[in-house]
Amino acid sequence: DAKTTQPPSMDCAEGRAANLPCNHSTISGNEYVYWYRQIHSQGPQYIIHGLKNNETNEMASLIITEDRKSSTLILPHATLRDTAVYYCIVSGYSTLTFGKGTMLLVSP
Amino acid sequence: DTAVSQTPKYLVTQMGNDKSIKCEQNLGHDTMYWYKQDSKKFLKIMFSYNNKELIINETVPNRFSPKSPDKAHLNLHINSLELGDSAVYFCASRATGYNQPQHFGDGTRLSIL
Repeated sequence: DAKTTQPPSMDCAEGRAANLPCNHSTISGNEYVYWYRQIHSQGPQYIIHGLKNNETNEMASLIITEDRKSSTLILPHATLRDTAVYYCIVSGYSTLTFGKGTMLLVSP
Repeated sequence: DTAVSQTPKYLVTQMGNDKSIKCEQNLGHDTMYWYKQDSKKFLKIMFSYNNKELIINETVPNRFSPKSPDKAHLNLHINSLELGDSAVYFCASRATGYNQPQHFGDGTRLSIL
């Protein structure tokens, strides 16, 4: 079973920041938070991951709370191509357990 | 260049047939995976191989047999196909290291008639 809770769907206007929340209250000390997304009919795409510090790359930023029980993925300027299902996954070494994710719809 | 490539992209066949799906990665990764995404869109791990050795087998019927001829390839052979095998199958790979992310192929859509 997935160890994370995400809203089933979210909307965002094109050009605005998309903030996707994730709860992972049972996360263990050695587990990372990973974010993937799946655009329709494609394979899951890795976005970003972190342990306890905030992380940023060319795609997104990841904000993890100090107690590590929740996190937020931020897409700073959402585009129509960011419409996808976003998965927040907590994982130790290797196995990824995908939940239902959040369907993000970016509209013009 | 495609990092993780799967063939075929689409596979339509009849119940009872045997079929194979191939996966190749050119990332130099040591670990490869097969996932199944069913009609409800849940992605579930099936197998994991590390340096050609099976390390994860998640309660998959023995009609499914993965084969890894070398660490860049992980093929999936399915015997006696059933209607419930209809799904999208994804291959993935990752580098050695505790927090290395997985990289996925674009999937093989298997339809059983």
